[in-house]
Amino acid sequence: AQSVTQPDIHITVSEGASLELRCNYSYGATPYLFWYVQSPGQGLQLLLKYFSGDTLVQGIKGFEAEFKRSQSSFNLRKPSVHWSDAAEYFCAVGPFMEYGNKLVFGAGTILRVKS
Amino acid sequence: GAGVSQSPRYKVAKRGQDVALRCDPISGHVSLFWYQQALGQGPEFLTYFQNEAQLDKSGLPSDRFFAERPEGSVSTLKIQRTQQEDSAVYLCASSLGLSGTEAFFGQGTRLTVV
Repeated sequence: AQSVTQPDIHITVSEGASLELRCNYSYGATPYLFWYVQSPGQGLQLLLKYFSGDTLVQGIKGFEAEFKRSQSSFNLRKPSVHWSDAAEYFCAVGPFMEYGNKLVFGAGTILRVKS
Repeated sequence: GAGVSQSPRYKVAKRGQDVALRCDPISGHVSLFWYQQALGQGPEFLTYFQNEAQLDKSGLPSDRFFAERPEGSVSTLKIQRTQQEDSAVYLCASSLGLSGTEAFFGQGTRLTVV
């Protein structure tokens, strides 16, 4: 069965500092991998996704993530965090399917940004 | 509308009451998903529609949960005889294509069962 582990429930970083959010997945083959962000009272917004090809993917708002097959990881990074990045971040995995690509989400990491 | 719209945003139900949650997907989107997000957890898949056809309902937790999308646009998630464990945020997502990998999420409906 697919599963996603986000080891850090909370992370606090200073504004302007770099950020790395960890994600490990369990899946039998190369999956689709996603990072979503959720601000309080809002729905999920897609930051970036990986399907195949270049293992370093760029997303919106200056985020990037790197797929490492050997470590079953898909960590999210940002070189310089802004106060507006404070939110909850979810990693998700899904199979290659022709339709109905239901996602399995991790429990999320809450990012706090201190000034 | 510009995005996925869900109503109501908040719902308080007494235990045993039936509730109906509405999702208006982005116009023209073929795929529609429902997810349940319990407090402190990530979303969990409930069900999937391709147009009006419900092709996957493997995530519905019990036969008290029922979803429909009769005309292939608006969808309703109905929960009968609500229980306290049904308290969660219910998220709807839609996508233009069949795969759902470019899904757009609504703001969700927060259901509290008292």
